[in-house]
Amino acid sequence: ELKVEQNPLFLSMQEGKNYTIYCNYSTTSDRLYWYRQDPGKSLESLFVLLSNGAVKQEGRLMASLDTKARLSTLHITAAVHDLSATYFCAVDRIFQGGSQGNLIFGKGTKLSVKP
Amino acid sequence: DTEVTQTPKHLVMGMTNKKSLKCEQHMGHRAMYWYKQKAKKPPELMFVYSYEKLSINESVPSRFSPECPNSSLLNLHLHALQPEDSALYLCASSQDLSGRKRDTQYFGPGTRLTVL
Repeated sequence: ELKVEQNPLFLSMQEGKNYTIYCNYSTTSDRLYWYRQDPGKSLESLFVLLSNGAVKQEGRLMASLDTKARLSTLHITAAVHDLSATYFCAVDRIFQGGSQGNLIFGKGTKLSVKP
Repeated sequence: DTEVTQTPKHLVMGMTNKKSLKCEQHMGHRAMYWYKQKAKKPPELMFVYSYEKLSINESVPSRFSPECPNSSLLNLHLHALQPEDSALYLCASSQDLSGRKRDTQYFGPGTRLTVL
C-alpha cells in the first residue's frame, strides 16, 4: 500500500526565516507533486518532480526529489506572510502496466507565517 | 489554459434531495477525477474516468453516481445524502492515464457541499 507522510503537519514561522517540509513515500515512484491550498480554496499545482535529483524553484520555494531515499523536500527561504497556506505532497498510484491511478496525498503541512 | 471549472460553488441540500455537481475542462484532457475533501484532511479519490469510461471507483456509496457525458464534462449526481457527506468536492483532470502521458492533475475550485 502506498503511503505518503509529511512532516511537520503544522509549522509556525516568522517572516524572514527559512524552513523545510519533508515528504516521505513508501513505494517506488518517479513522480512527485507539490500542491498549495489556501483555506476554502482548491489545490494549486506548485511543482512536478520527474526524476531523481530533480530540483525546481519558484520564488521563495524550492522543491527537490531523491527517489532512492523516497524523499522530497520543500524548502522555504525568507518566508513572507503570503506563503501561509497548507502544502500537500502527492505521489501517483501506478497500476500494473504503467497506467496512472489517482494521487495519494500526504496529510498536508499547515504553514503560518507571522510578522 | 489550465482551467477546470466547477458549478455550483456552494450547495446546501436536504437528505431527500437530488442534486448534481458539474465539472468542465477544455484542455483536451482524457482523464477526469472526483475527489472528496473533509476539513483539514487531504483529498481522497472517489472516481476516475478515462476516455469517458469509469476506470476507478473507490468503493463509493451508491448515493453518489458519476457520469461522463463527453470528454469535457464530468457530473456527480447526488441522492439521499447523509450529513457526513458534507465536504469540499474537487474535480481534477489530466492528459491521460497511460504511463507515457502521465501529467499533472489540475484541480477545479471545488463545490462546498452541506447536507442538512
